[in-house]
Amino acid sequence: LAKTTQPISMDSYEGQEVNITCSHNNIATNDYITWYQQFPSQGPRFIIQGYKTKVTNEVASLFIPADRKSSTLSLPRVSLSDTAVYYCLVGGDQAGTALIFGKGTTLSVSS
Amino acid sequence: DTGVSQDPRHKITKRGQNVTFRCDPISEHNRLYWYRQTLGQGPEFLTYFQNEAQLEKSRLLSDRFSAERPKGSFSTLEIQRTEQGDSAMYLCASSYPRDRKQVNTEAFFGQGTRLTVV
Repeated sequence: LAKTTQPISMDSYEGQEVNITCSHNNIATNDYITWYQQFPSQGPRFIIQGYKTKVTNEVASLFIPADRKSSTLSLPRVSLSDTAVYYCLVGGDQAGTALIFGKGTTLSVSS
Repeated sequence: DTGVSQDPRHKITKRGQNVTFRCDPISEHNRLYWYRQTLGQGPEFLTYFQNEAQLEKSRLLSDRFSAERPKGSFSTLEIQRTEQGDSAMYLCASSYPRDRKQVNTEAFFGQGTRLTVV
């Protein structure tokens, strides 16, 4: 399974754009990149998933360069409620492959 | 669709006792996952079911842990002879790949069962 590396923590202010980068140097051809968000005392929640280039939904954007060795989660105009831990997962759904979480990035948004 | 439901939400037990947790996945979700999470760490994979078949089990899962999903619907996770190191949040998730080729399907997590072993 491809290993992921993310910053341990990030700080931001309300209204700013936040970009969290994840490194996954040995990503496999079939692997997708998925981001989850987790608030304290809750289970993780799916944010966005992509394979290459750019994916955008109502919550975030995901930028993936051509070599796919990294990805960047972009949160536009964060608010206090975006304070959470963000996890980058890389993996396929081949037989036996499960969702493997790293330590994630703790994002703290201040007013 | 009521989401993934876990019961109980909290459990305090004495060391050496057995505990059992239940997870009800989203209806028709054929994949079910169990995770353990301690403070400051990401969820740690324990085991994974495709329907009633347990397809993968973490090497970190000792023989004291067992999980079942007898009818491919709800699942139970049992911990025998609990130890203080078992204190953690136990999370369940489910997903539904529309076909076997679909990769990395979105997983829906429950709110977890917090276990405290005293």
